[in-house]
Amino acid sequence: AQSVTQLGSHVSVSEGALVLLRCNYSSSVPPYLFWYVQYPNQGLQLLLKYTSAATLVKGINGFEAEFKKSETSFHLTKPSAHMSDAAEYFCAVSRPGGSYIPTFGRGTSLIVHP
Amino acid sequence: DAGVTQSPTHLIKTRGQQVTLRCSPKSGHDTVSWYQQALGQGPQFIFQYYEEEERQRGNFPDRFSGHQFPNYSSELNVNALLLGDSALYLCASSLPGDNQPQHFGDGTRLSIL
Repeated sequence: AQSVTQLGSHVSVSEGALVLLRCNYSSSVPPYLFWYVQYPNQGLQLLLKYTSAATLVKGINGFEAEFKKSETSFHLTKPSAHMSDAAEYFCAVSRPGGSYIPTFGRGTSLIVHP
Repeated sequence: DAGVTQSPTHLIKTRGQQVTLRCSPKSGHDTVSWYQQALGQGPQFIFQYYEEEERQRGNFPDRFSGHQFPNYSSELNVNALLLGDSALYLCASSLPGDNQPQHFGDGTRLSIL
């Protein structure tokens, strides 16, 4: 079984500040990990993915995430928040070697203040 | 290059009715998955179709059924609608393979009165 826990349903930052969204996973095998973003009234858009290559993964819009096996974490960061980053962010885990069915976390709403 | 398209965008039904939602995958994609996203929650996997067959299914009752056509488009059918079926229904398409990311449509917002 696999699962994802996103710590904090809401994260509030000021424009220009560091963004840190937390994700911890549980998986019986080395996982694939993903971060998606969802803007209001839209579907999910892939930000980045980890598939057992480099542990530091760079994604779109200046986001990156680091896979830390010892901490079972895959936190999402961005050095400087922009107003347009305000959205819902979902971490997801899937199990390699089978049909790709990701398990999503409950999401973290990022609020950016001017 | 068109992405994943879903129709309709919004739908209102009453309890006990039946509904059909439609999805056209991204060009070149042959695998289609459906998700239910309740308000304030992450997407929950309903089922996945590949080569017109249901390949995997999540923990949803038989009232939820689907179909994939030869052109890879797909339908989600829900019978005997309940108030709890109110949600955003997302379709996602992907290339085959277990590390292929899914591309999502904008969803159909289903409201049950």
